[in-house]
This record gives sequence, structure tokens and C-alpha cells, in this order.
Amino acid sequence: SQQGEEDPQALSIQEGENATMNCSYKTSINNLQWYRQNSGRGLVHLILIRSNEREKHSGRLRVTLDTSKKSSSLLITASRAADTASYFCATDAGETSGSRLTFGEGTQLTVNP
Amino acid sequence: DGGITQSPKYLFRKEGQNVTLSCEQNLNHDAMYWYRQDPGQGLRLIYYSQIVNDFQKGDIAEGYSVSREKKESFPLTVTSAQKNPTAFYLCASSIRRQGRQPQHFGDGTRLSIL
Repeated sequence: SQQGEEDPQALSIQEGENATMNCSYKTSINNLQWYRQNSGRGLVHLILIRSNEREKHSGRLRVTLDTSKKSSSLLITASRAADTASYFCATDAGETSGSRLTFGEGTQLTVNP
Repeated sequence: DGGITQSPKYLFRKEGQNVTLSCEQNLNHDAMYWYRQDPGQGLRLIYYSQIVNDFQKGDIAEGYSVSREKKESFPLTVTSAQKNPTAFYLCASSIRRQGRQPQHFGDGTRLSIL
């Protein structure tokens, strides 16, 4: 079953604007990961945040994790047309799930030049 | 360059036919996975393997089979028992067990029914 649920399903912004995507999940997790997928391609890992971390940065990416609300957000600052892709969160619920990653259904981001 | 290679990129299956999707990695990763992705949806786990000669069913294993005879290779067979095989299939690998490490993905195989 899909634990992560992204919101919104689709987001369209202008180049230079910030994009925020949210992910909610149901069970306790060990960590949460964000991936990017360009159309017709495989997924590319962006960032991993552990359950004891609240915020993590990587370049123009900022990820937050609120375990009390079982939610995470991915912020892309100063977006570029090349950021157009689908973005997925994936949760690791630890031993109870066999330490498997469970992916959400993704947010389709379109950055207009 | 190290990475994961999936082949073929496009595959067509006739009714009643088994087809095999190839996945090879040269990253020296122990764990490998197969996912299915339907249009506009996320990934669903079919099978995964954490070591050679061992593999476990994922959430949607029915109609699929795998083998893990070599560390570098994890082929997926879509059998005739899988009645709705049309999808995008993604193979991934990671250094160790799932969830603890990022997964590296191939570029997928798109399977359609003739």
C-alpha cells in the first residue's frame, strides 16, 4: 500500500519562483527520502532525512520533517525550467515493513520559462 | 561510469507469452529491486533481493518471477499469469538493505501488450 501521499498532485509555476511540495504518511518511519523523475526516465535520489532530523538542505533544496504531524515538505528555491519533473517522497518504516521503501504518487511540477 | 542498465527500453508481449526484462548493475550493490509504475502513479514493489540467491516478494508479486544468480544481475520475468502487464518497469539497487540507503534507478522498460 502507498504510505506517502504528495500534495499537490500538480503544480505549475514561473521560473524564479519557489515550489513547495508536501508529503504525508501514516506510520512511524526511520527516514524519508525525496526522488525526482523526468518524463520516461528512472528516479534520481535527491535527499534523505532521518526521523531525528527536522530540516536538511542540499543546494536549492530544503526538506523539512515533522514526525508529530507525519509530514514532510520539499522546497525548491529559485526554480528553473530544468526542474520540471515529478517528485516523489518515499518512506522507510523500519523493521515492521521489512525495511522497504514505500513511494507516494508524486507531484508533477511544471516550471514555465 | 557506474550505473544500472535496463533492457530493452521497449518490449511488447503477446497473449500467453512470458517475457524477461533485464537489469544489470556495476555499482557493487548488494540489494536490488523491481518496481512497477502505472501512468500518473507512484512505484509499487514487485520483488526485491538483498543478497545473491535470495529474494522476497513485494506488494504485487503475483504473475512475476525473478532470479538472483549473480550479484550484478536481477532479471524479472512477466509471466502469462500477469493479466495486466502494461506498465513502466523500474529496476533499482542500493548498497545495503532497503530504506537505509538511497536507491539508484535504471531508466526503465516500457512493456505493452500486442
